[in-house]
Amino acid sequence: DAKTTQPNSMESNEEEPVHLPCNHSTISGTDYIHWYRQLPSQGPEYVIHGLTSNVNNRMASLAIAEDRKSSTLILHRATLRDAAVYYCILRDPTGIRGAGSYQLTFGKGTKLSVIP
Amino acid sequence: NAGVTQTPKFQVLKTGQSMTLQCAQDMNHNSMYWYRQDPGMGLRLIYYSASEGTTDKGEVPNGYNVSRLNKREFSLRLESAAPSQTSVYFCASRDRVGNYGYTFGSGTRLTVV
Repeated sequence: DAKTTQPNSMESNEEEPVHLPCNHSTISGTDYIHWYRQLPSQGPEYVIHGLTSNVNNRMASLAIAEDRKSSTLILHRATLRDAAVYYCILRDPTGIRGAGSYQLTFGKGTKLSVIP
Repeated sequence: NAGVTQTPKFQVLKTGQSMTLQCAQDMNHNSMYWYRQDPGMGLRLIYYSASEGTTDKGEVPNGYNVSRLNKREFSLRLESAAPSQTSVYFCASRDRVGNYGYTFGSGTRLTVV
């Protein structure tokens, strides 16, 4: 299975932009890049996903490298509420590598701390 | 909309006891999932149900059974609880059509003593 590598932890000052990196050098052509976050004592929450082009939504932006071997989740202005563990996950919606390949597989993610 | 609702929120069991964790979603989603999360770890898939009437094993199915009661409800049963099953359990759902995000419940914190 294609895997992702993220830093264990990052810090950011409140109201400053945050760039969360993710490496996925073995990504396949059918893998989408998903980001979820988990606030303390809550279930994971969908943030954003993309395939090749950069994506924006109300929560964040996703910048995908041209070779797709890395991506960056961008929070434009960090707030205290953004303190969470952020997971970068590859998901193959076609299931071409087997039924398990289109499930979400969580790593340990990046713990983001936001400093007031 | 309530989204994904899990009951109970907390439970303490003695070794060997049985219990069922309940999950219900009101989004008309086809697929439902059960994950467990141990301290400092990411989530691991226990079982999933791609659609009503089907269930499949995930990464860590041993010691668990599931039932997809109808489109809304997906339950997880521990027949004989063990301390190794102490964990936080999350239920999730998604629509099979398209590549949309999963919606997770708020979790059940289970302790087996």
